[in-house]
Amino acid sequence: EPEVTQTPSHQVTQMGQEVILRCVPISNHLYFYWYRQILGQKVEFLVSFYNNEISEKSEIFDDQFSVERPDGSNFTLKIRSTKLEDSAMYFCASSASGRAALENTGELFFGEGSRLTVL
Amino acid sequence: GNSVTQMEGPVTLSEEAFLTINCTYTATGYPSLFWYVQYPGEGLQLLLKATKADDKGSNKGFEATYRKETTSFHLEKGSVQVSDSAVYFCALRMLETGNQFYFGTGTSLTVIP
Repeated sequence: EPEVTQTPSHQVTQMGQEVILRCVPISNHLYFYWYRQILGQKVEFLVSFYNNEISEKSEIFDDQFSVERPDGSNFTLKIRSTKLEDSAMYFCASSASGRAALENTGELFFGEGSRLTVL
Repeated sequence: GNSVTQMEGPVTLSEEAFLTINCTYTATGYPSLFWYVQYPGEGLQLLLKATKADDKGSNKGFEATYRKETTSFHLEKGSVQVSDSAVYFCALRMLETGNQFYFGTGTSLTVIP
C-alpha cells in the first residue's frame, strides 16, 4: 500500500542550527502538508503546498520556515535557525487532490512523523 | 474560531471492555468531522468520518455520530482488542477555510489482555 515516508525519524540539534525534514509523499498525490505536534499539545497545521507554491500557511509558519519540492518526489521543511520551542513531532501529509477530493474522501495520508529536539 | 477538544488520556481498558473517547468541537461554520488513529511507529490514519449532522461514521467496529446539537463526535467501540492500542485524534475540517484540519490533542488508549 502506498505510504508517505519521512526522514529522519528523530533529529537532535542545537539552538540556532538549520534543520531540514524530508518527506516523500505518495507518488500520484498533488497536495502536500506539514503539521506539527508539540508534546502534550494539539496537532497544528503549518502549511499546504500545491503546484510548486504555498497554498495556505498558519501563523506558526513564519520566516524561519520554508518548504520546497526540489526534485518532484521529495517535499522538505526547512527551519532556518531553530529555537527551543520548535521541538515537536513534525508530520508530513499528502492528498490526491485538493478541495474537491477532500469533499468526497476527507482523507489526508500522513507519514510517521519526524521528532525534532532542539537543545 | 475552530477547535477540537477531546478527552484526555491515557486510557487503559481490559480486552472486550466498552470504549468511549469524548470529542467536542467549536466551529464558525459547518465542519466535517474525523477520527484519525496512530498505531505505534506509524503515521496518522483515517479511522472514520462524518460530513453532516446525524451522520454516523463507522470502521473496524468503531462508531461516531455527528451531533450538531451537542457539537460532539464521540468515538465508541463495544468491545476493544489489544490491537486497538493506539493514539486517537479527533479532527474537524472547514471547507470554507481550505484544507486545514484542526486536531485535538490525541487520546492514548492501551488495551490489556
